[in-house]
Amino acid sequence: KAGVTQTPRYLIKTRGQQVTLSCSPISGHRSVSWYQQTPGQGLQFLFEYFSETQRNKGNFPGRFSGRQFSNSRSEMNVSTLELGDSALYLCASSLGLFGGPYNSPLHFGNGTRLTVT
Amino acid sequence: SQQGEEDPQALSIQEGENATMNCSYKTSINNLQWYRQNSGRGLVHLILIRSNEREKHSGRLRVTLDTSKKSSSLLITASRAADTASYFCATDPNTGTASKLTFGTGTRLQVTL
Repeated sequence: KAGVTQTPRYLIKTRGQQVTLSCSPISGHRSVSWYQQTPGQGLQFLFEYFSETQRNKGNFPGRFSGRQFSNSRSEMNVSTLELGDSALYLCASSLGLFGGPYNSPLHFGNGTRLTVT
Repeated sequence: SQQGEEDPQALSIQEGENATMNCSYKTSINNLQWYRQNSGRGLVHLILIRSNEREKHSGRLRVTLDTSKKSSSLLITASRAADTASYFCATDPNTGTASKLTFGTGTRLQVTL
């Protein structure tokens, strides 16, 4: 089974630009979560999509947005880039069953390294 | 914000020794998970322990959970150089059905030959 694929692997942008990152989940996984990882803040949850609906959202400004397509592929967009947006952006897919007796471990891609100059 | 804090922040041991890392968290949980991250790569799920379990084993890994102290520990026995990585605990809260997995600050493990 193919793993989670994130593209591109590296990205360099300048302040004020916008960027779109892509994530292809493991086949059969309907949930896609996005995380931002920085040395200072660690792993921060951005949002989770399940069956094309945003099911949960972290504490990030509205410049960060995402969507999920009918084939479960997901994109996240960051507009008006700031220097502080430089980070490793990780996408994770899962079956999407949480709470109660359910648990769905996350399967991560290798991330997109975004550098904002 | 981080739900969990890991201790120690960094650990250096020799191959063959055991490595123990600890995780403390703040709110009630449905389960707690441990992940490994090699430098600059994605995280890999290692083991999951439910809130009603106290100990779980998987190969060279042993995880314990004490919900009264809101803490967990990960023991890696007979460590190898390939175990060099950062290790994160992640908590799944006992509410709702959406993913709210929150990661700790991580422990950097260095295993030397």
